[in-house]
Amino acid sequence: AQKVTQAQTEISVVEKEDVTLDCVYETRDTTYYLFWYKQPPSGELVFLIRRNSFDEQNEISGRYSWNFQKSTSSFNFTITASQVVDSAVYFCALSILGQNFVFGPGTRLSVLP
Amino acid sequence: NAGVTQTPKFQVLKTGQSMTLQCAQDMNHEYMSWYRQDPGMGLRLIHYSVGAGITDQGEVPNGYNVSRSTTEDFPLRLLSAAPSQTSVYFCASSYSPGATYEQYFGPGTRLTVT
Repeated sequence: AQKVTQAQTEISVVEKEDVTLDCVYETRDTTYYLFWYKQPPSGELVFLIRRNSFDEQNEISGRYSWNFQKSTSSFNFTITASQVVDSAVYFCALSILGQNFVFGPGTRLSVLP
Repeated sequence: NAGVTQTPKFQVLKTGQSMTLQCAQDMNHEYMSWYRQDPGMGLRLIHYSVGAGITDQGEVPNGYNVSRSTTEDFPLRLLSAAPSQTSVYFCASSYSPGATYEQYFGPGTRLTVT
């Protein structure tokens, strides 16, 4: 069975600090896809990134970066120089080809001014 | 494109009442799904559909029914509302289940059952 763990329930940082959100997944499949979604206080779910299991390259998009390590089954998300607008709940998700998504419980990030 | 739309945005029901949450998408996606979001539990899959006329149960299907008569619409029916169904409900769509495609989510429906 597939499972996603986000051990950090809540994180608080001061603006401009860097912060890393952890995601650990479990699957026996060799082909799978990992996702991060953001849920700001307004409530909508915003897609951030998709990564397949064959691509272990790290990705950087502006202040956001993602570190995928198959050896530790982790797909961590780092925000550099955090801003108040980054305050949100962040979800990590896993999908297997032809099957449904499995979401982690989410990490609530609060960025204080 | 409007993307994924959901109505209503808010709803209050009394225990035992029934209602339908509407979901529609205009992206010609085959895969649609319903999730509920409860504090500390992430998103849990209620029902899903891989195409018109095909539906299946997710992780928490009890108390809910779905149908998929068209590609665009995927309504969720609460048969007899219970306080345990108080939650935020999200509809989502994708080109296919899993695979390489992300899901697009609607804005959500906040349901309170008293």
